[in-house]
Amino acid sequence: DAKTTQPTSMDCAEGRAANLPCNHSTISGNEYVYWYRQIHSQGPQYIIHGLKNNETNEMASLIITEDRKSSTLILPHATLRDTAVYYCIVRVGFYNFNKFYFGSGTKLNVKP
Amino acid sequence: GEEVAQTPKHLVRGEGQKAKLYCAPIKGHSYVFWYQQVLKNEFKFLISFQNENVFDETGMPKERFSAKCLPNSPCSLEIQATKLEDSAVYFCASSQSPGNTIYFGEGSWLTVV
Repeated sequence: DAKTTQPTSMDCAEGRAANLPCNHSTISGNEYVYWYRQIHSQGPQYIIHGLKNNETNEMASLIITEDRKSSTLILPHATLRDTAVYYCIVRVGFYNFNKFYFGSGTKLNVKP
Repeated sequence: GEEVAQTPKHLVRGEGQKAKLYCAPIKGHSYVFWYQQVLKNEFKFLISFQNENVFDETGMPKERFSAKCLPNSPCSLEIQATKLEDSAVYFCASSQSPGNTIYFGEGSWLTVV
């Protein structure tokens, strides 16, 4: 049921920007893109979300393409503690707006 | 509280025994969600509540799983007659209102032996 596609894994050097892509080609106009991460088997941690415009907060930036069919999460200066599985999630439906569909996520390995 | 609190952190049950997990949502949050994570990456939505009312239960297995959110009590997820395949991490999450960000607890590890 997941409506997003992400690479299985990515590597990033410590201190470099990590760019994590996500495809959501079937996204509809009122659906948001959310990003969460899971470090080891802890609870998913909220990172950022957006609808159309690019967003930035203290953790990351979210770039959404104009057609909204894909997005990129950017961690500007990755640290070893950013090693985690990153989930790109589309919030589905009007009446089920709080039922997230998790995909398989991207395992980000930050290396020294 | 300022975080979703789940108890117990770990629970071991023999096949056929009952398991009950608890969740206290963030103070002021009206919506509570339960997710099941089997293996490392697969999350499955189970059920959501709006205060004490079931909001969406389309993910709940009908036979052995039940959940409640009663006023002034932690929410609970109960599994009757556990099976080996129920072994998973069960995450509770909460949000303030429809459309707001969902925040997750640290999960409860259930191992059925």
